[in-house]
Amino acid sequence: DGGITQSPKYLFRKEGQNVTLSCEQNLNHDAMYWYRQDPGQGLRLIYYSQIVNDFQKGDIAEGYSVSREKKESFPLTVTSAQKNPTAFYLCASSPPGASSYEQYFGPGTRLTVT
Amino acid sequence: AQSVAQPEDQVNVAEGNPLTVKCTYSVSGNPYLFWYVQYPNRGLQFLLKYITGDNLVKGSYGFEAEFNKSQTSFHLKKPSALVSDSALYFCAVRDFYGGATNKLIFGTGTLLAVQP
Repeated sequence: DGGITQSPKYLFRKEGQNVTLSCEQNLNHDAMYWYRQDPGQGLRLIYYSQIVNDFQKGDIAEGYSVSREKKESFPLTVTSAQKNPTAFYLCASSPPGASSYEQYFGPGTRLTVT
Repeated sequence: AQSVAQPEDQVNVAEGNPLTVKCTYSVSGNPYLFWYVQYPNRGLQFLLKYITGDNLVKGSYGFEAEFNKSQTSFHLKKPSALVSDSALYFCAVRDFYGGATNKLIFGTGTLLAVQP
Protein backbone atom coordinates (compact mmCIF):
# COMPACT_ATOMS: atom_id res chain seq x y z
CA ASP A 1 0.00 0.00 0.00
CA GLY A 2 3.06 2.25 -0.26
CA GLY A 3 3.13 5.63 1.45
CA ILE A 4 -0.60 6.25 1.45
CA THR A 5 -2.56 5.85 4.66
CA GLN A 6 -6.30 5.84 5.12
CA SER A 7 -8.04 5.91 8.42
CA PRO A 8 -9.98 4.36 9.91
CA LYS A 9 -10.09 0.94 8.25
CA TYR A 10 -13.71 0.42 9.29
CA LEU A 11 -16.22 3.17 9.98
CA PHE A 12 -19.81 2.92 11.15
CA ARG A 13 -22.29 5.79 11.10
CA LYS A 14 -25.96 6.42 11.51
CA GLU A 15 -27.97 7.60 8.55
CA GLY A 16 -28.15 11.39 8.35
CA GLN A 17 -24.68 12.00 9.77
CA ASN A 18 -21.78 13.44 7.81
CA VAL A 19 -18.53 11.50 8.03
CA THR A 20 -14.99 12.38 6.95
CA LEU A 21 -12.52 9.82 5.64
CA SER A 22 -8.84 10.57 5.97
CA CYS A 23 -6.20 10.13 3.27
CA GLU A 24 -2.54 11.07 3.77
CA GLN A 25 0.46 10.44 1.50
CA ASN A 26 4.18 10.95 2.01
CA LEU A 27 5.15 10.22 -1.60
CA ASN A 28 5.33 13.90 -2.62
CA HIS A 29 2.71 13.24 -5.28
CA ASP A 30 0.81 16.15 -6.73
CA ALA A 31 -2.36 14.36 -7.81
CA MET A 32 -4.75 12.56 -5.48
CA TYR A 33 -7.99 10.67 -6.12
CA TRP A 34 -10.98 9.23 -4.31
CA TYR A 35 -12.77 6.15 -5.61
CA ARG A 36 -15.79 4.25 -4.47
CA GLN A 37 -15.87 0.46 -4.91
CA ASP A 38 -19.07 -1.56 -4.92
CA PRO A 39 -19.32 -5.28 -5.71
CA GLY A 40 -19.47 -5.94 -9.44
CA GLN A 41 -19.00 -2.28 -10.38
CA GLY A 42 -15.28 -1.80 -10.24
CA LEU A 43 -13.92 1.55 -9.14
CA ARG A 44 -15.78 4.79 -9.74
CA LEU A 45 -14.08 8.17 -9.44
CA ILE A 46 -15.60 10.56 -6.90
CA TYR A 47 -13.19 13.52 -6.86
CA TYR A 48 -9.63 14.21 -7.89
CA SER A 49 -7.10 16.94 -7.24
CA GLN A 50 -4.09 17.77 -9.39
CA ILE A 51 -2.60 20.44 -7.12
CA VAL A 52 -3.14 22.01 -3.73
CA ASN A 53 -6.27 24.16 -3.42
CA ASP A 54 -7.76 22.69 -6.59
CA PHE A 55 -10.03 19.72 -7.13
CA GLN A 56 -12.46 18.43 -9.75
CA LYS A 57 -15.60 16.33 -9.67
CA GLY A 58 -15.36 12.80 -10.93
CA ASP A 59 -18.15 10.61 -12.21
CA ILE A 60 -20.14 10.27 -8.97
CA ALA A 61 -19.46 13.45 -6.94
CA GLU A 62 -23.03 14.03 -5.74
CA GLY A 63 -23.28 13.75 -1.97
CA TYR A 64 -19.53 14.03 -1.43
CA SER A 65 -17.15 16.91 -0.74
CA VAL A 66 -13.36 17.23 -0.53
CA SER A 67 -10.64 19.70 0.35
CA ARG A 68 -6.96 19.94 -0.60
CA GLU A 69 -5.32 22.41 1.77
CA LYS A 70 -2.05 20.48 1.93
CA LYS A 71 -0.20 18.43 -0.65
CA GLU A 72 -0.12 15.45 1.70
CA SER A 73 -3.81 15.36 2.59
CA PHE A 74 -7.05 14.87 0.67
CA PRO A 75 -9.96 14.18 3.05
CA LEU A 76 -13.34 13.05 1.74
CA THR A 77 -16.61 13.96 3.46
CA VAL A 78 -19.60 11.74 2.85
CA THR A 79 -22.61 13.93 3.47
CA SER A 80 -26.14 12.99 4.41
CA ALA A 81 -27.13 13.82 0.82
CA GLN A 82 -25.38 10.67 -0.44
CA LYS A 83 -28.18 8.18 -0.97
CA ASN A 84 -26.19 4.95 -0.67
CA PRO A 85 -23.02 5.71 1.27
CA THR A 86 -22.20 2.17 2.37
CA ALA A 87 -19.17 1.15 0.29
CA PHE A 88 -15.43 0.60 0.25
CA TYR A 89 -13.58 3.89 -0.33
CA LEU A 90 -10.12 4.01 -1.86
CA CYS A 91 -7.72 6.91 -2.01
CA ALA A 92 -4.89 7.05 -4.55
CA SER A 93 -2.13 9.36 -5.68
CA SER A 94 0.10 9.72 -8.72
CA PRO A 95 3.40 11.49 -9.33
CA PRO A 96 3.72 14.59 -11.50
CA GLY A 97 4.86 14.77 -15.07
CA ALA A 98 4.64 12.47 -18.04
CA SER A 99 7.08 9.83 -16.82
CA SER A 100 4.65 7.77 -14.83
CA TYR A 101 0.92 7.32 -15.10
CA GLU A 102 0.13 4.62 -12.59
CA GLN A 103 -1.69 5.40 -9.39
CA TYR A 104 -0.73 4.22 -5.94
CA PHE A 105 -3.52 3.16 -3.62
CA GLY A 106 -4.13 3.28 0.09
CA PRO A 107 -5.56 0.32 2.03
CA GLY A 108 -9.13 1.64 1.90
CA THR A 109 -11.87 2.50 4.38
CA ARG A 110 -15.02 0.41 4.60
CA LEU A 111 -17.94 2.66 5.51
CA THR A 112 -21.18 1.19 6.79
CA VAL A 113 -24.18 3.47 7.29
CA THR A 114 -27.26 2.13 9.05
CA ALA B 1 -15.41 7.79 -24.82
CA GLN B 2 -12.59 5.67 -23.51
CA SER B 3 -13.37 2.39 -21.80
CA VAL B 4 -12.09 -1.01 -20.81
CA ALA B 5 -14.01 -4.25 -20.60
CA GLN B 6 -13.27 -7.36 -18.60
CA PRO B 7 -15.61 -9.95 -20.10
CA GLU B 8 -15.20 -12.57 -17.37
CA ASP B 9 -16.47 -12.02 -13.84
CA GLN B 10 -14.50 -15.03 -12.64
CA VAL B 11 -11.69 -17.22 -13.93
CA ASN B 12 -10.97 -20.62 -12.39
CA VAL B 13 -7.65 -22.35 -12.91
CA ALA B 14 -5.78 -25.21 -11.28
CA GLU B 15 -2.51 -24.52 -9.53
CA GLY B 16 0.42 -24.98 -11.89
CA ASN B 17 -1.63 -24.32 -15.01
CA PRO B 18 -1.25 -21.17 -17.11
CA LEU B 19 -3.74 -18.40 -16.50
CA THR B 20 -5.18 -15.64 -18.65
CA VAL B 21 -7.37 -12.75 -17.50
CA LYS B 22 -8.88 -10.88 -20.41
CA CYS B 23 -9.15 -7.16 -21.05
CA THR B 24 -10.24 -5.22 -24.12
CA TYR B 25 -10.12 -1.49 -24.55
CA SER B 26 -11.62 1.31 -26.58
CA VAL B 27 -9.65 4.54 -26.88
CA SER B 28 -9.01 7.29 -29.37
CA GLY B 29 -5.30 7.53 -29.86
CA ASN B 30 -2.57 5.43 -28.30
CA PRO B 31 -3.70 3.53 -25.21
CA TYR B 32 -1.94 3.64 -21.86
CA LEU B 33 -2.95 0.37 -20.18
CA PHE B 34 -2.56 -0.96 -16.65
CA TRP B 35 -3.21 -4.04 -14.55
CA TYR B 36 -3.84 -3.95 -10.80
CA VAL B 37 -4.51 -6.68 -8.24
CA GLN B 38 -6.64 -6.42 -5.12
CA TYR B 39 -6.60 -8.84 -2.20
CA PRO B 40 -9.65 -8.95 0.11
CA ASN B 41 -10.25 -5.73 2.05
CA ARG B 42 -7.06 -4.19 0.70
CA GLY B 43 -6.14 -1.42 -1.69
CA LEU B 44 -5.09 -2.02 -5.28
CA GLN B 45 -1.52 -2.98 -6.08
CA PHE B 46 0.07 -2.02 -9.39
CA LEU B 47 1.20 -5.03 -11.48
CA LEU B 48 2.31 -3.66 -14.83
CA LYS B 49 1.67 -1.10 -17.54
CA TYR B 50 1.95 -0.62 -21.27
CA ILE B 51 2.79 2.85 -22.54
CA THR B 52 4.88 2.15 -25.61
CA GLY B 53 7.51 -0.31 -26.81
CA ASP B 54 7.44 -4.10 -26.69
CA ASN B 55 4.01 -5.65 -26.88
CA LEU B 56 4.88 -8.14 -24.13
CA VAL B 57 5.15 -6.37 -20.79
CA LYS B 58 6.56 -8.07 -17.72
CA GLY B 59 5.42 -7.10 -14.25
CA SER B 60 5.39 -8.09 -10.60
CA TYR B 61 4.93 -11.61 -9.18
CA GLY B 62 5.67 -13.31 -12.53
CA PHE B 63 2.77 -11.72 -14.37
CA GLU B 64 2.98 -10.44 -17.92
CA ALA B 65 0.55 -8.89 -20.36
CA GLU B 66 0.38 -8.83 -24.12
CA PHE B 67 -0.69 -5.69 -25.92
CA ASN B 68 -2.50 -6.49 -29.18
CA LYS B 69 -3.41 -3.40 -31.15
CA SER B 70 -5.37 -5.18 -33.88
CA GLN B 71 -7.56 -6.95 -31.34
CA THR B 72 -7.59 -3.97 -28.92
CA SER B 73 -6.70 -6.32 -26.09
CA PHE B 74 -4.34 -6.34 -23.13
CA HIS B 75 -4.68 -9.79 -21.56
CA LEU B 76 -2.91 -10.61 -18.30
CA LYS B 77 -1.02 -13.90 -18.24
CA LYS B 78 1.08 -16.09 -16.01
CA PRO B 79 2.74 -19.37 -17.06
CA SER B 80 2.06 -21.23 -13.81
CA ALA B 81 -0.66 -20.17 -11.38
CA LEU B 82 -0.25 -20.20 -7.61
CA VAL B 83 -3.01 -20.45 -5.02
CA SER B 84 -1.71 -17.15 -3.65
CA ASP B 85 -2.57 -15.51 -7.00
CA SER B 86 -6.26 -15.79 -6.09
CA ALA B 87 -7.52 -12.19 -5.99
CA LEU B 88 -9.50 -9.58 -7.88
CA TYR B 89 -7.79 -8.20 -10.97
CA PHE B 90 -8.53 -4.85 -12.59
CA CYS B 91 -7.60 -3.59 -16.02
CA ALA B 92 -7.43 0.19 -16.50
CA VAL B 93 -6.81 2.73 -19.26
CA ARG B 94 -5.63 6.31 -18.96
CA ASP B 95 -8.35 8.85 -19.58
CA PHE B 96 -7.00 11.44 -22.00
CA TYR B 97 -9.94 13.78 -21.70
CA GLY B 98 -10.26 16.44 -19.02
CA GLY B 99 -6.83 18.01 -19.35
CA ALA B 100 -3.41 16.89 -18.25
CA THR B 101 -4.36 14.37 -15.62
CA ASN B 102 -3.50 10.83 -14.78
CA LYS B 103 -7.10 9.79 -14.46
CA LEU B 104 -7.69 6.09 -14.99
CA ILE B 105 -10.80 4.30 -16.14
CA PHE B 106 -11.15 0.88 -14.51
CA GLY B 107 -12.84 -2.27 -15.69
CA THR B 108 -15.32 -4.07 -13.46
CA GLY B 109 -12.75 -6.59 -12.28
CA THR B 110 -12.19 -10.34 -12.70
CA LEU B 111 -12.01 -12.65 -9.74
CA LEU B 112 -9.24 -15.20 -10.19
CA ALA B 113 -9.66 -18.42 -8.23
CA VAL B 114 -6.73 -20.84 -8.25
CA GLN B 115 -7.58 -24.32 -6.96
CA PRO B 116 -4.87 -26.38 -5.24
